[in-house]
Amino acid sequence: TQLLEQSPQFLSIQEGENLTVYCNSSSVFSSLQWYRQEPGEGPVLLVTVVTGGEVKKLKRLTFQFGDARKDSSLHITAAQPGDTGLYLCAGEALGSQGNLIFGKGTKLSVKP
Amino acid sequence: EPEVTQTPSHQVTQMGQEVILRCVPISNHLYFYWYRQILGQKVEFLVSFYNNEISEKSEIFDDQFSVERPDGSNFTLKIRSTKLEDSAMYFCASTPGTAYGYTFGSGTRLTVV
Repeated sequence: TQLLEQSPQFLSIQEGENLTVYCNSSSVFSSLQWYRQEPGEGPVLLVTVVTGGEVKKLKRLTFQFGDARKDSSLHITAAQPGDTGLYLCAGEALGSQGNLIFGKGTKLSVKP
Repeated sequence: EPEVTQTPSHQVTQMGQEVILRCVPISNHLYFYWYRQILGQKVEFLVSFYNNEISEKSEIFDDQFSVERPDGSNFTLKIRSTKLEDSAMYFCASTPGTAYGYTFGSGTRLTVV
């Protein structure tokens, strides 16, 4: 069974600080996706990374896919209260037809 | 921006009853999915659907579950005889191709009493 371990589970920081969320597995994924989920809503796609070593930037968010395609990180620079939310990583299993394996999520709170 | 639309947003049903959850995926997407999320737990894959047939399903998707695309726009999930443990948020998702990431709907909260 493929698993994605996401850490930390909770993160509370002050506005302006930087943070990194990690997603790790012993399995290789064909792609890794990051989502943000608000309470009572569906996950909203932030980014998809496909190539080992790939780095993508979305304003103050930087996403990296590990060289071996087993891990990924999300780095937020100068966090703002609007970044508060639940961040989920999800890996697409090799050879699957879109079976996404989700991590448990990181609940981020950014205090003004 | 195109959306995946799910109805109803909330459904309460008695144990043993049949429920049908409905989804309208984004019109030019080719791959369709159902996921569920039990309160406080991870999002879990149920089934993927491509070219009018199931392409993959999880262990959760047993004989009580079925999916259908009855016309060109709707995608439904049927639970034949609901159990208490079927209570969860059910999300429909679609994508033009799996490397593009998925668009999820807002979900149907199913409560089985």
